[in-house]
Amino acid sequence: EVQLVESGGGLVQPGGSLRLSCAASGFTVSRTYMSWVRQAPGKGLEWVSLIYSSGYTHHADSVKGRFTTSRNNSGNTLYLQMNTLRTEDTAVYYCARGMAKPPSFDLWGLGTLVTVSS
Amino acid sequence: QSALTQPASVSGSPGQSITISCTGTSSDVGNYNLVSWYQQVPGKAPKLMIYEVTKRPSGVSSRFSGSKSGNTASLTVSGLRAEDEADYYCCSYAGSPTLIFGGGTKLTVL
Repeated sequence: EVQLVESGGGLVQPGGSLRLSCAASGFTVSRTYMSWVRQAPGKGLEWVSLIYSSGYTHHADSVKGRFTTSRNNSGNTLYLQMNTLRTEDTAVYYCARGMAKPPSFDLWGLGTLVTVSS
Repeated sequence: QSALTQPASVSGSPGQSITISCTGTSSDVGNYNLVSWYQQVPGKAPKLMIYEVTKRPSGVSSRFSGSKSGNTASLTVSGLRAEDEADYYCCSYAGSPTLIFGGGTKLTVL
C-alpha cells in the first residue's frame, strides 16, 4: 500500500528539540521531492521544508537555522530535526510526496502533533 | 513572504458553481504556472485537487477546475454537492525554492 506515516510528535518545552519521522511505503522517497507542511491549531497550512531527489533542501524563513530536513534512503524515511523550538511551532506536522512540478503533493500522511509548551 | 490571499469563506447551493480566488504577486502566482489547490476536511489530511494551475489528478472529479490570470489563480467547483464542503487552500511556487500557501477558504454548501 502506498502511504506515509509520521511519528515522533509530542510535548516539548520551549528551547527543546524533537525529531519527526515519516516512513514511506509503496514508493521510494529518494526518487521524488518531499515536503514537510504544518498546521497550527485552527489555522491554515504552512510550508516548512522541501527536499529534492538530489538531496538539496530548502526551509521556510520561519524555521531556517532551527529545522533540518533529511532522509534515509535505505530506510525510505524522511526526517525533520527541530531544534530551539518555540511556542509558535505548535502544530500538526504533515509529510507530503511531490509529483510533477512543485508544489504538487499527491500523497499526505495523517500528521503528527507537536506541542511546544512549558 | 506573506500568505497568498484567499476569501475566508464562500458558499453556494447544491448544483450551483462557485469560484475561490487566490491572489499573490508577480514573484509567485504571477511568475510561475505552478499553483496547486488542496481540499481539507477538518481533522483530515489535505487532498490534491488541481496542480500546475489547470491539471487535475487522476480520480478528482471534473467538476473541479483551475485557472489563472495575472497574479490571481482561481478554483471553480461546478455542480456543487454536499460532499464538497471543506476548507480549500491554494499553494504557489515562489522561486528560491519557496512555497507559499493561501490562508484557506471555507466552502459551505447551503
